This record gives sequence, C-alpha cells and structure tokens, in this order.
Amino acid sequence: DTGVSQNPRHKITKRGQNVTFRCDPISEHNRLYWYRQTLGQGPEFLTYFQNEAQLEKSRLLSDRFSAERPKGSFSTLEIQRTEQGDSAMYLCASSSPSGGTKRGEYFGPGTRLTVL
Amino acid sequence: AQTVTQSQPEMSVQEAETVTLSCTYDTSESDYYLFWYKQPPSRQMILVIRQEAYKQQNATENRFSVNFQKAAKSFSLKISDSQLGDAAMYFCAYRSPAGGTSYGKLTFGQGTILTVHP
Repeated sequence: DTGVSQNPRHKITKRGQNVTFRCDPISEHNRLYWYRQTLGQGPEFLTYFQNEAQLEKSRLLSDRFSAERPKGSFSTLEIQRTEQGDSAMYLCASSSPSGGTKRGEYFGPGTRLTVL
Repeated sequence: AQTVTQSQPEMSVQEAETVTLSCTYDTSESDYYLFWYKQPPSRQMILVIRQEAYKQQNATENRFSVNFQKAAKSFSLKISDSQLGDAAMYFCAYRSPAGGTSYGKLTFGQGTILTVHP
C-alpha cells in the first residue's frame, strides 16, 4: 500500500492554457473522488468514479473541466482554457467498497494549481 | 443538501491541555457518517476519527474523542493531552450512507486552525 499519489504536485500556468493532473489511487480501491480546495476553505466535491464509470459530477465542474478514469485505474482531471479562478489545490481520494463509506477515503497530497 | 458548519476559524491550546473543536451539520437523513480530518501544513488530509449516526456510543481513538449529539446535529472533537504534532487544520465532514444518490461524497466544513503552544 503506497498510498494515493498525484502528479504534478505543483503547476503554474498562464491563463488560457490547458492543464492535466493525474491521480493514482490505492490499487484495490474502486472508488475515486476529485475535490477542489481553495486557501483556507474545506475541500469541495468535484466528481466521483466507481471503476471507470463517472457517476456524479458537481455543478462546480464546468464545461472546461473533464475527468476520466480509463480501465478503472488512474484518473486524469483536465482543465481547458484555465482562468485565474481555477487556482486551487486539487485533491484526489480513493476508497474501497467495504471500507470507504464507513472508514473514509485516503487522500493524496494534492496538486496545487496557480493560474497567472 | 447537507451542510456542515465549523464556527471556530481558529483555536489554540497549551501543550498537554485539552481542546474541543465544534461542528454542526444539517441533514434530513437519519443514517449517515461523520468524520474529523486533520490537514497538517504539508496538506495531506488524514482521517482522525469517524462516527456512525446509528451508534449512540461516542467514538474514541486514543487521545481523540467525539461528542455526538444527533438530535442537536452536533459533532465536536475533543483532543486530550495536546501535542505539538496536533497543530493543523481540522475539518469536520459528513457522508450520506452508501446506496444513495450522493455516492458517498464528503461534505466538508470550513475548517478550524488549531495552534498548539509549547
């Protein structure tokens, strides 16, 4: 169990550019979540995958955001035409069917995005 | 929709003393789960303690315990014998039961920054 990993850890981009983040969950976890956290605030839910199926998306996830989880393993979160308001920490979390609901997810270290 | 409120933006405690962090929530569900997460300055979220709403007994994990008042929709965290390593942002979180439409996502409060003084 190596934990949830996220890459890159930091990303600085110019407004209007596209960025993509990757999350590698714990290998046996079939549930994967993306959250966004702005400075001094609690994380906000963005989207949820069960295996490769994206089962829920928050209204926070505008058309510029897209997430995938091919083959139910790693997941990517892409932001197109970035805006300064997209600057935040993007957190990935994973859980197993038996442990997740009761135990809570394992969180990754996050990807901090800065849009200039 | 469920909401979680942490009314204490910042709290401080002396090392070895006890501190209580407050959390209230709003829900129409009868069965759910509540969590406290810790986020140290390195920013990786760590689960501290969890409580199932159907259990009347308050959860405890070593120096951490909760006071769960279901009728009042209150879920406070007590940290005993505070240590310097307890300094972090603490988040209260709510989760609906499995099988519902929320798919188990967490709803977080705004967080409480805990400072521990030596």
